[in-house]
Amino acid sequence: GDSVTQMEGPVTLSEEAFLTINCTYTATGYPSLFWYVQYPGEGLQLLLKATKADDKGSNKGFEATYRKETTSFHLEKGSVQVSDSAVYFCALKRSSASKIIFGSGTRLSIRP
Amino acid sequence: GAGVSQSPRYKVAKRGQDVALRCDPISGHVSLFWYQQALGQGPEFLTYFQNEAQLDKSGLPSDRFFAERPEGSVSTLKIQRTQQEDSAVYLCASSLGGTGLNEKLFFGSGTQLSVL
Repeated sequence: GDSVTQMEGPVTLSEEAFLTINCTYTATGYPSLFWYVQYPGEGLQLLLKATKADDKGSNKGFEATYRKETTSFHLEKGSVQVSDSAVYFCALKRSSASKIIFGSGTRLSIRP
Repeated sequence: GAGVSQSPRYKVAKRGQDVALRCDPISGHVSLFWYQQALGQGPEFLTYFQNEAQLDKSGLPSDRFFAERPEGSVSTLKIQRTQQEDSAVYLCASSLGGTGLNEKLFFGSGTQLSVL
């Protein structure tokens, strides 16, 4: 069945460092791909999405490109801030399905 | 409030007890979802409602789990004869329309269930 695999955390970086969180997926067909973020004490919220191959999703300085040839959707940010500390979830959804399939999450901590 | 509200925030149950978890979606939202998030894992889908109709319950792990949304707004997830493996955070989410890719999902903060 469909699944999402993302790099294990925790990831600890210094402020202004470059961030990459790896995500790969397994699915038949052409799912849409998402990154969700969970800030401490808050509910999950959508960070960005891409609905077809080679699409780039972007938001708040974060970017991810839908790579069908490598079945990947890695999350990147050029310069992280302390406020980016959170848990990040990669996810996929088929257009015909009601459910979103999430990866196991990557905890990111940014030190000043 | 303007967001998805879940109660209680924390629930401790003895093994074998029944529990009921409540979700108040954003007013007017047609779709409502329940997810289960075990410690250190991502959320896993349990069930989906469109208004009062439960259109997908493929993720419910056993017949001890039951969800309802009788008037198409508030939803309750009930777990009968709780087991230790039921310990998790139960997340509720809602969206204005259906399950299309452009529908934005709003998540609540969850109910953390601990079964002793």
